[in-house]
This record gives sequence, C-alpha cells and structure tokens, in this order.
Amino acid sequence: NAGVTQTPKFQVLKTGQSMTLQCAQDMNHEYMSWYRQDPGMGLRLIHYSVGAGITDQGEVPNGYNVSRSTTEDFPLRLLSAAPSQTSVYFCASSYLGSGGDTQYFGPGTRLTVL
Amino acid sequence: GESVGLHLPTLSVQEGDNSIINCAYSNSASDYFIWYKQESGKGPQFIIDIRSNMDKRQGQRVTVLLNKTVKHLSLQIAATQPGDSAVYFCAESRGSQGNLIFGKGTKLSVKP
Repeated sequence: NAGVTQTPKFQVLKTGQSMTLQCAQDMNHEYMSWYRQDPGMGLRLIHYSVGAGITDQGEVPNGYNVSRSTTEDFPLRLLSAAPSQTSVYFCASSYLGSGGDTQYFGPGTRLTVL
Repeated sequence: GESVGLHLPTLSVQEGDNSIINCAYSNSASDYFIWYKQESGKGPQFIIDIRSNMDKRQGQRVTVLLNKTVKHLSLQIAATQPGDSAVYFCAESRGSQGNLIFGKGTKLSVKP
C-alpha cells in the first residue's frame, strides 16, 4: 500500500490564482480530511468527508472547496488564492468509527501565496 | 471557545532521561485523546491514544496519563533517544470518530 499520497509537495501561487491539491489513499478508508498547519500552531481542520459523495466543513473552510467522487480521492481546491492561505496542508484518512491508530497522514503540501 | 493547548512549547532533555510533555484541554465533552509525533517535513504520526474511561495507558516506551478532574493530558517517554526529537501534538475529539482538535505542539530536543 502507498498509504496517503499528496501532490504536489511544494507550490508557489500568485494572489488570485486557483489550484487543486491532490490527495489519494489506497486503504479503502471511508473518512478523509484536510488540515492546514501554520507556524507555531497545531493542525486545523478545513474540510472532511465520511464517504464518497459526502463532504462537510471543518473549523476553517473559507476559501476552500472539496469533493469526494470516489473513495480513494479527496482533492482540495483553492478558487482564488490569498496570502493568508500560505501554509502546509495535510490530508489524512481513516476507517470510520476507528481510533486514531488507523488515521494516516500524508507527507504534506507546502503552499506559498505571493 | 473550546481549545486544546500545551503548557511547554519547547523541551530539551538529555539522551536517556525521561521526557514529560503536557497538554491542557478545555472541552469537558471530549472523551478521546491522541498523541501525535511530527518529524520535520513529515505528517503527524500516531503514538498512543486514550479514552476518557481510562486514567493511564502504556505503549512501548510511552505512557499517556489523563486527569479528567483538571482536564490535563501528559505523554511520558522513557529513556528518550535522539530519534524522539520531534514536535508532539495532543488532539481531542468527542468519540473516536469525531473530528480532531489539535493543540499547538511541543518541540522535543534530545541532546546526545
């Protein structure tokens, strides 16, 4: 199993540009989520999904869209990037109803918005 | 609002010593807690978890203690090794399938 994969690893955008951060998992996990991590802070939940076709907002959803058309993929879209979205983004997946020991995080995408 | 926080942002210990990392939580409805380790340039990695019906749980070289009276969580690492150097986060949720709320993290540095 590849686990949770994220692409790209690094990205630089200009204000107003759009892009999609990709996340995929091959463990057949129902639950997938996106977090952002800012310096000196813990991870904050952006959006999450409990299964294909189902998404919901987390703590900091503004400026981001998600979709879950398949169990494997959970892309995060920035429609109009802003400097405040400069951060490291982590995708995670787990089985529903399971504990943290089945939650796996991807390696992260470091995004800079100029 | 509800939050999870850490008392010590940095901790420096000598190799072989025991390390204790602390965490305070404020949501009394939280009943599931996790400790994660994050090495530089990587995503968080699960270390150990504990449910609110327990006070203590032990893993390999790690122990988590939960004090519900004062809403305090700690991670003890025995015989700390250089490979333990990382940032450690506590996280809380309501139920094991609830969304996680993370604390700010403590950086652990192990001196050889």
